[in-house]
Amino acid sequence: KAGVTQTPRYLIKTRGQQVTLSCSPISGHRSVSWYQQTPGQGLQFLFEYFSETQRNKGNFPGRFSGRQFSNSRSEMNVSTLELGDSALYLCASRVRGALETQYFGPGTRLLVL
Amino acid sequence: GESVGLHLPTLSVQEGDNSIINCAYSNSASDYFIWYKQESGKGPQFIIDIRSNMDKRQGQRVTVLLNKTVKHLSLQIAATQPGDSAVYFCAEMNFGNEKLTFGTGTRLTIIP
Repeated sequence: KAGVTQTPRYLIKTRGQQVTLSCSPISGHRSVSWYQQTPGQGLQFLFEYFSETQRNKGNFPGRFSGRQFSNSRSEMNVSTLELGDSALYLCASRVRGALETQYFGPGTRLLVL
Repeated sequence: GESVGLHLPTLSVQEGDNSIINCAYSNSASDYFIWYKQESGKGPQFIIDIRSNMDKRQGQRVTVLLNKTVKHLSLQIAATQPGDSAVYFCAEMNFGNEKLTFGTGTRLTIIP
């Protein structure tokens, strides 16, 4: 069974640009969550999507958004990038209601210059 | 609230010894807890979970202990191996919203 895949794995952007990250969940997993990981703030929850609807949201500004497609694949978008957005962005998929089934992808490392 | 990782504690343990990693969680209403292991260059990996109606749960070489009175969680790893070297995170959640809040993390280094 293939794991969670994230593309791209590495990305360099400049301030003010926008970026779109992609996540393909494990087959059969319809819940996809996104997390931001930084040395200073640790792992923080961004949002969760299930059945193409955002079900949960963390404390991030509106520049961070996401969506989910009918095949459960998900994208997250960050607009007007700031230096502080440099981070590892992790996607995780699971069977909703069963957090023990949650698997993380390898992440996309974003560097904002 | 959200966890803030200001400092990453470290723990060095001799190979073969047991290790104990501690975590103080923030929300007394949390009713589900997970320990994750994150190796360099990889996403976190589920190790073991425990519900708030339990005090202890055992897995293969790992045991999680929960003390709700002092909001403390610990992960015990028996007979540590070099492959156990990683950063370990505890995470808490309330079943009402399924939103995980992660702890700071502890870096475990196994000394051969």
